[in-house]
Amino acid sequence: GEDVEQSLFLSVREGDSSVINCTYTDSSSTYLYWYKQEPGAGLQLLTYIFSNMDMKQDQRLTVLLNKKDKHLSLRIADTQTGDSAIYFCASGGGYNKLIFGAGTRLAVHP
Amino acid sequence: KAGVTQTPRYLIKTRGQQVTLSCSPISGHRSVSWYQQTPGQGLQFLFEYFSETQRNKGNFPGRFSGRQFSNSRSEMNVSTLELGDSALYLCASSLGQVNFQRNTQYFGPGTRLTVL
Repeated sequence: GEDVEQSLFLSVREGDSSVINCTYTDSSSTYLYWYKQEPGAGLQLLTYIFSNMDMKQDQRLTVLLNKKDKHLSLRIADTQTGDSAIYFCASGGGYNKLIFGAGTRLAVHP
Repeated sequence: KAGVTQTPRYLIKTRGQQVTLSCSPISGHRSVSWYQQTPGQGLQFLFEYFSETQRNKGNFPGRFSGRQFSNSRSEMNVSTLELGDSALYLCASSLGQVNFQRNTQYFGPGTRLTVL
């Protein structure tokens, strides 16, 4: 069945770059999303990429997609303490059914 | 534009009771999807409504049901509550078209349900 996998934890120093990785199984996924969740809050959409794209840059965020390997990554440049949160990768096809990974907890330390 | 709103934000119920959660989508959005988030199972899709019709459904028992009104507001109902239904219930709204660029889902803050 459809599945999305992510590493569970990442720790980085403030000012460094963070790279969060994700793999998905559904080859029919037409778009892939990154969401951020802070404690006690809902999901905040960070960015998305269409399946026929290789890369998308949005300010400090860079998304890379390797469609052949079904691998997605999110790079956060100049990571700040305010970036500490859980990051979810999600794959989606038609009719708004998103398949989420387990989430990567990003901890940013001074 | 106002974001997705969910009410109530917190609920405490006991086993066997039923509960109704409400979601108001972003103005102009016609699709509402519901997700359950638990520490053990993560985020799981419950169902999606578009123009008052259920368009897609996840793998949840029939105790979980929903509906959508003509103004696109949606309600989710859980009957005969079990301890395992304790979760954060998130709703998301989107325009609803299949074309992805117009179909991005925006999430509400969630309703935290605790079943005792």
